[in-house]
Amino acid sequence: DAGITQSPRHKVTETGTPVTLRCHQTENHRYMYWYRQDPGHGLRLIHYSYGVKDTDKGEVSDGYSVSRSKTEDFLLTLESATSSQTSVYFCAITSEMSQPQHFGDGTRLSIL
Amino acid sequence: GESVGLHLPTLSVQEGDNSIINCAYSNSASDYFIWYKQESGKGPQFIIDIRSNMDKRQGQRVTVLLNKTVKHLSLQIAATQPGDSAVYFCAVLEGGSYIPTFGRGTSLIVHP
Repeated sequence: DAGITQSPRHKVTETGTPVTLRCHQTENHRYMYWYRQDPGHGLRLIHYSYGVKDTDKGEVSDGYSVSRSKTEDFLLTLESATSSQTSVYFCAITSEMSQPQHFGDGTRLSIL
Repeated sequence: GESVGLHLPTLSVQEGDNSIINCAYSNSASDYFIWYKQESGKGPQFIIDIRSNMDKRQGQRVTVLLNKTVKHLSLQIAATQPGDSAVYFCAVLEGGSYIPTFGRGTSLIVHP
């Protein structure tokens, strides 16, 4: 399995609080991604990174920010969590274009 | 942009049968195609991929078929086993891209 670790694996928090999810990789891959997965929607891209300090928005980026200060870590922050952000969040990595992504095991986030 | 659709959200089969899961895509510039398996509580796992210069690729008990004329790909699983029960979804990439478009998935249920 690709060396991807997501933390925490589960989190329950309250509306209005900030939340940060971490993705850590040991593969030295260039590209990293954050997705959310909800019933009926499949995987939806939140943000992605194509290098250290190089990030861009995906299709559902509102309410989320990311940072990548080193190759191995990609952080996803919910600036002020809302109940609509309750979801399962997956991090993925890939080494280069036109290669498969490899996924972490996800973070289950509940916003009450 | 690309859209990726599935013909069937759920597929039920008996153990030992062959399973076929389908995916349709819309962008004729798509040239790399991936199948993933996602078990409950886990992240998507890479199964097999195929590039547009091929129309068939085989792995261990799995075969992917690509029909570029009608923009359709399928995943065939031979001698389906209970451990194959999972959600399967395809991902499609345009040439030179590192951001895939995902289908929503087919839930494969294997009855002993």
